[in-house]
Formats: sequence, structure tokens, C-alpha cells
Amino acid sequence: AQSVSQHNHHVILSEAASLELGCNYSYGGTVNLFWYVQYPGQHLQLLLKYFSGDPLVKGIKGFEAEFIKSKFSFNLRKPSVQWSDTAEYFCAVNPGNTGKLIFGQGTTLQVKP
Amino acid sequence: DTAVSQTPKYLVTQMGNDKSIKCEQNLGHDTMYWYKQDSKKFLKIMFSYNNKELIINETVPNRFSPKSPDKAHLNLHINSLELGDSAVYFCASSFQGQGRDGYTFGSGTRLTVV
Repeated sequence: AQSVSQHNHHVILSEAASLELGCNYSYGGTVNLFWYVQYPGQHLQLLLKYFSGDPLVKGIKGFEAEFIKSKFSFNLRKPSVQWSDTAEYFCAVNPGNTGKLIFGQGTTLQVKP
Repeated sequence: DTAVSQTPKYLVTQMGNDKSIKCEQNLGHDTMYWYKQDSKKFLKIMFSYNNKELIINETVPNRFSPKSPDKAHLNLHINSLELGDSAVYFCASSFQGQGRDGYTFGSGTRLTVV
């Protein structure tokens, strides 16, 4: 079955620390990949997406992600986090352009000021 | 101007009741979705409609019935509510059923069944 796995469930960082959140998926065909962020009490917002071309994708708020096809991974990175980055982060995959987004279980990021 | 709007934002109701959640999008998207986010924040797709036609119907109890009067609206009706239905329900929309450009989500409806 298609699935998305986020390795880190809860990450605590100090401001200015670097961030990397892991995401792996299980699907052998064409995929569209997404990272969403959910700030406390708010809806999901798109951080960045990949569907073809350069595997290094830049998104909003200084986030980027790298698609490594051989590893079925799409890890999210940010060189220097801020307190305002405290939120829930979701990796999602649209396998085979089906339109069905499959989400990982989410990673809670807590940034200490 | 809210792109994807859901009403109500909060819904508290007793077991056995029937309730509806409404969703409207003003983005001109042709595909709309319902997602359920459980208490562990896990998000799972329930339904998807493309131009009023049901295209995704996951394993969801028959008590849940989506209705799409036009491509800008997708409502969710739930019959005989159960405790386990308590969750946050998110509506979303996108261009084309393939969702290549990502989805725009509504702010969610927190349903509490008591």
C-alpha cells in the first residue's frame, strides 16, 4: 500500500539552528511531492512542491526540499529556524497523479526563543 | 477574501444526531476534497469530487455522504454521529483531479461528538 513516513515526530530546536525533517514514501511510479505547514489552530498551508525538473525545490519562508528518487525521499530543510516556525509539518505525496494526497503522520517542530 | 471557506468552524453535538458541514471555494478550482484529521493529527482523504462527479471515495462509513451541487461547493453530511467521528474535517480544492499544483485547504471544522 502507498504510504508516507516522517521519521521525526517531535523536534525541539533553538532559534538559528538548522532543520532537516525526513520524509520517505512508498510508490514506484511518478509522484508529486509536497510539504505543508500547519500553525497552531490554523489550516494547512503549502510550503513547497515538486513534480518535475530540478530536484532541489525552494519554497516560502526560507524552506527547501530535495527529492532523491533513488531513496524515495523528500526531506525538508531550513538553514536557520525562527521561533515563528513552531508548527506541525506534513509531507504529502500524490502518487501517479491520482489527485489523492497521502499524508505522513506529521512532525511537530518546537523552536525555543 | 477567503479562498476555501468552511462552516461551521466548531460543531459540538450529541451521539446519534445528523449534521452537515459546508465548504465553498472561490478559486475557480474544479476539484474539491474532504480530509479527516484525527486526534493524532493524521490526515486522511475521505472524498473527492471533480466537476460535481465523485472520483475518490475512500473506505468511509455510509453515514458520511458528500454532496456537490456545483464545482464551487462540496458539503459533507454525517448521519447518526458516533464518538469516533470527533475530528477536524478539512475541505480542500485544486485545479484538475491530479492536484499537481497542490491543494488549498480550508480552516477546518472541529467536530466534537459527546
